[in-house]
Amino acid sequence: EIVLTQSPGTLSLSPGERATLSCRASQSVSSSYLAWYQQKPGQAPRLLIYGASSRATGIPDRFSGSGSGTDFTLTISRLEPEDFAVYYCQQYGSSQTFGQGTKVEIK
Amino acid sequence: QVQLQESGPGLVKPSQTLSLTCTVSGGSISSGSYYWSWIRQPAGKGLEWIGRIYTSGSTNYNPSLKGRVTISVDTSKNQFSLKLSSVTATDTAVYYCARDAGSFLEWDRFDYWGQGTLVTVSS
Repeated sequence: EIVLTQSPGTLSLSPGERATLSCRASQSVSSSYLAWYQQKPGQAPRLLIYGASSRATGIPDRFSGSGSGTDFTLTISRLEPEDFAVYYCQQYGSSQTFGQGTKVEIK
Repeated sequence: QVQLQESGPGLVKPSQTLSLTCTVSGGSISSGSYYWSWIRQPAGKGLEWIGRIYTSGSTNYNPSLKGRVTISVDTSKNQFSLKLSSVTATDTAVYYCARDAGSFLEWDRFDYWGQGTLVTVSS
């Protein structure tokens, strides 16, 4: 099973700042089959990024994904108030697994 | 627009079987090539994939839960269902149904989710 480790656990930033979230896999994720989700309290996760760098339908371009192999990054270029949430990565190259999440909180 | 909605008891006694149904609207569950999954999330914790079913009835389950999980599909009702047997307090969680965009024998992202339903295991 591929284990995904997300860091940091919590990111404290102000609106307008840049957020950089990391997702590291215990082994290489084939074909960059990695997705990112956003989850707000009391809501279901929402797909943001798939294939490591493709934005899902309706996702603003301030969200971008990058990486390959074992290291992946989600970048939010300028945090909007609605972006403060928990973010999960998921790999689907070998079965599928989720990371433990990174909380982006208001500083 | 595909929509998913979970339904079922919110309270289950220990050792009993948890049963949930996911109703799909906005499209036929048997059209296209998709898997339909169950995912759960204990309060304050991360996401755990439980299992999935293809429209043909082919299933995959999380090995950590295998033996207790059964997922079935009823295409005539546009629904798929989860049964989790011998539940304990550790099975208390919000349960989500979701569409897996993968084609047969493939794994993929979850592009549509239900709103989730809280199931508490308690006597």
